[in-house]
Amino acid sequence: DAGVTQSPTHLIKTRGQQVTLRCSPKSGHDTVSWYQQALGQGPQFIFQYYEEEERQRGNFPDRFSGHQFPNYSSELNVNALLLGDSALYLCASSLRLAGVWGELFFGEGSRLTVL
Amino acid sequence: SQQGEEDPQALSIQEGENATMNCSYKTSINNLQWYRQNSGRGLVHLILIRSNEREKHSGRLRVTLDTSKKSSSLLITASRAADTASYFCATDAGGTSGSRLTFGEGTQLTVNP
Repeated sequence: DAGVTQSPTHLIKTRGQQVTLRCSPKSGHDTVSWYQQALGQGPQFIFQYYEEEERQRGNFPDRFSGHQFPNYSSELNVNALLLGDSALYLCASSLRLAGVWGELFFGEGSRLTVL
Repeated sequence: SQQGEEDPQALSIQEGENATMNCSYKTSINNLQWYRQNSGRGLVHLILIRSNEREKHSGRLRVTLDTSKKSSSLLITASRAADTASYFCATDAGGTSGSRLTFGEGTQLTVNP
C-alpha cells in the first residue's frame, strides 16, 4: 500500500520562474492538503482540495494555485517565484467520511530552492 | 501565522533520560496532534488527543492536554539516540476547518548516546 508520494524531491529555480509540484495521495484517500515549511519553522497550511475543488485556503497569495484530478492526485503551482518561496513543500492526504476528515498522512516533501 | 509556541526550542539529553516538550495554543480546538520530523523530511504522526481527553499514552509517549490553559505536553520516556528529531504540535479546530492543521515552531530534540 503506497503512502503519499511527491515529486520532484528537490528542484532549483530562479526568481520569476514558475514551478509545479505533484502529489499522489495514499491509496483510498480523497483529500489533499499542501503545506509550506520554511527552514527552521513549522509547516504552514496553503490549501486543501476535496472533490476537485479548493475547500480551504491559508494566508498565501494568488501566486499559489492548485488542482486536484479525478484520481485524487494534486498539483501545486507557484508563479513569479520569490526568494522567500524557498521551502519544503509537504503534501498530506486524508479521507473524508460522514463529513469528518480522518488522520493526515504526509509525504516526504519537495524541497524548492529559489536563486 | 503559527497557532502557538513550543518550549523549549531545543533540548539536548542523554540516552535513557526523559524528554518533555510543551506546546501552547491560542484558539479552541477539536484535537491536538504531535508529529515528528527527521532532518527536514516528511512528518510522522505520533499521537492525537481530543479536546475532551486529558492524557493519552502510546508506547514510550505520554501526552497531556489542559484546555483551560490551552497547553499540551509530550513526554518521551527512556529516550534513545534514534529519537533525535524535531517534534511539532499541531492543532485541529475541527468543524468546517477539519483536517486543517496549525503547527507550532517545533522543538529540536537531540539524544546523545
